[in-house]
Amino acid sequence: EMVMTQSPATLSVSPGERATLSCRGSQSLSYNLAWYQLKPGQAPRLLIYGASTRATGVPPRFSGSGSGTEFTLTISGLQSEDFAVYYCQQYNNWPPMYTFGQGTKLEIK
Amino acid sequence: QMQLQESGPGLVKPSETLSLTCLVSGFSIDSNSYYWGWIRQSPGKGLEWMGGVYYGGSAYYNPSVNSRVTIFVDMSKNQFYLKLTSLTAADTAVYYCARLVFSGFARIDHWGQGILVSVSS
Repeated sequence: EMVMTQSPATLSVSPGERATLSCRGSQSLSYNLAWYQLKPGQAPRLLIYGASTRATGVPPRFSGSGSGTEFTLTISGLQSEDFAVYYCQQYNNWPPMYTFGQGTKLEIK
Repeated sequence: QMQLQESGPGLVKPSETLSLTCLVSGFSIDSNSYYWGWIRQSPGKGLEWMGGVYYGGSAYYNPSVNSRVTIFVDMSKNQFYLKLTSLTAADTAVYYCARLVFSGFARIDHWGQGILVSVSS
């Protein structure tokens, strides 16, 4: 069973600074890793897929990197609307299964 | 612009069956390229994928709920549904419906806003 581990659980960063969020898989994922942003009362938002491809409409301050078991989401020049909870997600081909990390809460320092 | 909207009861009793509906607008549910699924988030916990269905009827479920869950589509209404039986307090969660990309780099590219379901007597 694939396990996704995100770190840190909570990250405190000042507006305008850079945030670096990590996601580790218990098995190699190749590049099959996505990142999502969740805010209370809103629909979750796909940010990154294929480890590094920005989804439609996602600003370039969001970037993803990594492969295999280690992945990173970087948010440069943090804006007020970026403070939220972020989840990574991997996909298993068979049986089809989406698995999420436990999330990183990005809060204002 | 594609939108998904969940509907259903906000409160259900233990041991009963939960039935949720997802209305898809701005996109046809009988597309070849997508599955339609449900994801939930229990209070204070992370996201859990429950399962997904193709418009042709084939469905896949998370083993954690496989014995209790059914997801199916109604193309005539451009809607899909979740049924979850034998509810317990552990099923209290925000339930999201979503469009699933299964091919290439699998991802969940459109989500509804979610519906809070509480299981309590």
